[in-house]
Amino acid sequence: HSALTQPASVSGSPGQSITISCTGTSSDVGAYNYVSWYQQHPDKAPKLIIYEVSNRPSGVPDRFSGSKSGNTASLTISGLRAEDEADYYCNSYTTINTWVFGGGTKLTVL
Amino acid sequence: QVQLVQSGSELKKPGASVKVSCKASGYTFTSYGMNWLRQAPGQGLEWMGWINPSTGNPRYVQGFTGRFVFSLDTSVSTAYLQISSLKAEDTAVYYCVAADGYFFDYWGQGTLVTVSS
Repeated sequence: HSALTQPASVSGSPGQSITISCTGTSSDVGAYNYVSWYQQHPDKAPKLIIYEVSNRPSGVPDRFSGSKSGNTASLTISGLRAEDEADYYCNSYTTINTWVFGGGTKLTVL
Repeated sequence: QVQLVQSGSELKKPGASVKVSCKASGYTFTSYGMNWLRQAPGQGLEWMGWINPSTGNPRYVQGFTGRFVFSLDTSVSTAYLQISSLKAEDTAVYYCVAADGYFFDYWGQGTLVTVSS
């Protein structure tokens, strides 16, 4: 399984909404609803922000939402805030019982 | 609360070995699968594989076989990653991550392993 495809970078102004895409195949993203998203600030461990496509763990603001259509998953952040500036990674379980990550997207809040 | 505390940074010479520890607390150690992930400098996340704390059976993904060994000491709720015959390209931050389902819930703080002569 090759890495999932994410845009290298996205940007937005405070208050705006942005969407990060994550494209895989019918053997990973399209196979199950086991897509998750992680936020990573510089020199910190990643943090789970979305699991099973659209579920938020306790404590994650509802500004973060996830969806999936076919082989592409998406993370939307609405009402952008300065503290949202970070790297974001998607992840999917695969049909060969492995996990595969996207290459990561750097979000810049202008 | 669930906590995973990893051992500190390591500086090793090529050809040496390193053993990274990951001590778990706040949950029953055998309840969650323990995964290992790698992040090379400036790069993304790679899933290396996992070990089942109930059975001790490890699974390694392609690219992390042979020199990489996952192990456990359930008596002290600790998982280990050992890497032998270190190469410069093994320089990375290694994370232990406990997984309750099909996602990575609980992360250690990461251990930087630097391989340099």
